[in-house]
Amino acid sequence: KNEVEQSPQNLTAQEGEFITINCSYSVGISALHWLQQHPGGGIVSLFMLSSGKKKHGRLIATINIQEKHSSLHITASHPRDSAVYICAVRRETSGSRLTFGEGTQLTVNP
Amino acid sequence: DTGVSQDPRHKITKRGQNVTFRCDPISEHNRLYWYRQTLGQGPEFLTYFQNEAQLEKSRLLSDRFSAERPKGSFSTLEIQRTEQGDSAMYLCASSLAWGTQYFGPGTRLLVL
Repeated sequence: KNEVEQSPQNLTAQEGEFITINCSYSVGISALHWLQQHPGGGIVSLFMLSSGKKKHGRLIATINIQEKHSSLHITASHPRDSAVYICAVRRETSGSRLTFGEGTQLTVNP
Repeated sequence: DTGVSQDPRHKITKRGQNVTFRCDPISEHNRLYWYRQTLGQGPEFLTYFQNEAQLEKSRLLSDRFSAERPKGSFSTLEIQRTEQGDSAMYLCASSLAWGTQYFGPGTRLLVL
């Protein structure tokens, strides 16, 4: 079992829909990251959080440390949101390295 | 552009050849990371530097792999005697201490 599990693996939505991507992890962490990867490989960091909730534009990330779970929400989704969304954790015992989930492929249709 | 840059962006090589990739981090960032990503998978950690010191290495980093960051600025990742299983995207990221990691565009390696 991977230390970081994401669901769903693939998600197709219609423009305007509210989207939720989930991330569960099985290790103690010091921080959790949500990343966005577009075709061609470039990765953009969306959020880094260790508690509570963060919001940036139409994106919201939440984390529940006790339940070892985080969610990424996209409100009013748009075709340009189509990308792979990756959850990554910085483990308490592993210094700076990140451990990544396998990613969620999101496709938003117009 | 003041982001993380990587060179080359693509590399095709024959099995058994050596390849070297370069990463230029954001200038004030003291930490630099190398990750590898195969198709359909999330990235995997390879190694990281704080300034010029290599502080962590993954078990994935076999004897054929070596990384350096000689002056605490740019870094190189060399793969000797490449194998087909080395085909992947090699990603570099940098950060200031424990802050957000900023990723470069990656170097896509294909070993024939």
